[in-house]
Amino acid sequence: ETGVTQSPTHLIKTRGQQVTLRCSSQSGHNTVSWYQQALGQGPQFIFQYYREEENGRGNFPPRFSGLQFPNYSSELNVNALELDDSALYLCASSFGLAYSTDTQYFGPGTRLTVL
Amino acid sequence: QQQVKQSPQSLIVQKGGISIINCAYENTAFDYFPWYQQFPGKGPALLIAIRPDVSEKKEGRFTISFNKSAKQFSLHIMDSQPGDSATYFCAASRGNTPLVFGKGTRLSVIA
Repeated sequence: ETGVTQSPTHLIKTRGQQVTLRCSSQSGHNTVSWYQQALGQGPQFIFQYYREEENGRGNFPPRFSGLQFPNYSSELNVNALELDDSALYLCASSFGLAYSTDTQYFGPGTRLTVL
Repeated sequence: QQQVKQSPQSLIVQKGGISIINCAYENTAFDYFPWYQQFPGKGPALLIAIRPDVSEKKEGRFTISFNKSAKQFSLHIMDSQPGDSATYFCAASRGNTPLVFGKGTRLSVIA
């Protein structure tokens, strides 16, 4: 086990609604990254938070937002849900910022279905 | 534009055989090439990684081969076991840039 937990495990929402997904990082990990994994695809980077500040963002619209808290927990918020938002959402925590030197530890993900 | 192309999409291998998964990348600035293993209901887990200053890295039954001139790298699983059945993702990054993942290969090892 990676020590990274996510909640809820599964979630069903309807188009236009808002959703909040939660992640609890490994203790001591200052960085959390969120990914979207569509069915049959690899994870796609949404954004990264380092010490409670957004530190990088992928090609996702502003209705995807996040928060990171001092207690190593974080949230991914998605407003105005669209059908294409249906996916597995993964968070990954790491000690530092560099993807090439700081191993990312992934949680099990939250499966979001938008109807 | 897909920066990391992975093949095959799915693979069936006999127990004890060799599983080979290939990836090709476009960005010559990439300097870190990890492979992740994902079981159903779990998040991806780092399996093995390589940097472009070496052509091969071996950890147990898992080997990465890297061809810098061809911009390709591959994962070899020797003596494949049913417990290796999972989805494998290659990825690439440089420094502080996020990982770019391939689309994944679903490996089934049959007895």
